[in-house]
Amino acid sequence: EPEVTQTPSHQVTQMGQEVILRCVPISNHLYFYWYRQILGQKVEFLVSFYNNEISEKSEIFDDQFSVERPDGSNFTLKIRSTKLEDSAMYFCASKPFRTGGRETQYFGPGTRLLVL
Amino acid sequence: GQQLNQSPQSMFIQEGEDVSMNCTSSSIFNTWLWYKQDPGEGPVLLIALYKAGELTSNGRLTAQFGITRKDSFLNISASIPSDVGIYFCAGQLRGGNEKLTFGTGTRLTIIP
Repeated sequence: EPEVTQTPSHQVTQMGQEVILRCVPISNHLYFYWYRQILGQKVEFLVSFYNNEISEKSEIFDDQFSVERPDGSNFTLKIRSTKLEDSAMYFCASKPFRTGGRETQYFGPGTRLLVL
Repeated sequence: GQQLNQSPQSMFIQEGEDVSMNCTSSSIFNTWLWYKQDPGEGPVLLIALYKAGELTSNGRLTAQFGITRKDSFLNISASIPSDVGIYFCAGQLRGGNEKLTFGTGTRLTIIP
């Protein structure tokens, strides 16, 4: 069964450094998302992406964050200058084109980011 | 913003017991979803509900979409050790790319 993959599984970085988190969505999916989960808390929406542009972003997704679909398969989240509070698990998700409104999002295994 | 509150926050049960958890929202959703998350992994979809009043089963799991569209419950019958994990509800408004709003989670522990 096809699945969303994410790399790396873990990343440790110094405060102020740039990080790029990578995702390969399911191949025929057209909607892409990033969520994050701070340890012990709920999953929070960051950004949605469709047709090569951001559809919606949360207040968490400030100017330090950017997303890109550099080719036909990858979807990346860049944090320009990491802060301690960016430490979290970051999940990528993808969804197929609407099929009668019953589409669902499929999540990757996550990248655990630790900012020191 | 929209808030989803789940209860209970945690449950300690014995194997074989039935489990019930629910989720309430401050606003209406068009779709309710239930996910399970194992430690260090991403959420895995268990059940999706698309219509107010809908009752859907998936094996030992049953979930219902509340009539008011502001709540949902999930029941697990005859719990087994692999049911351990965190269960999240999520709401979604209708639309092509709508984000998921997740609940606060219910942690299920099975006592041997």
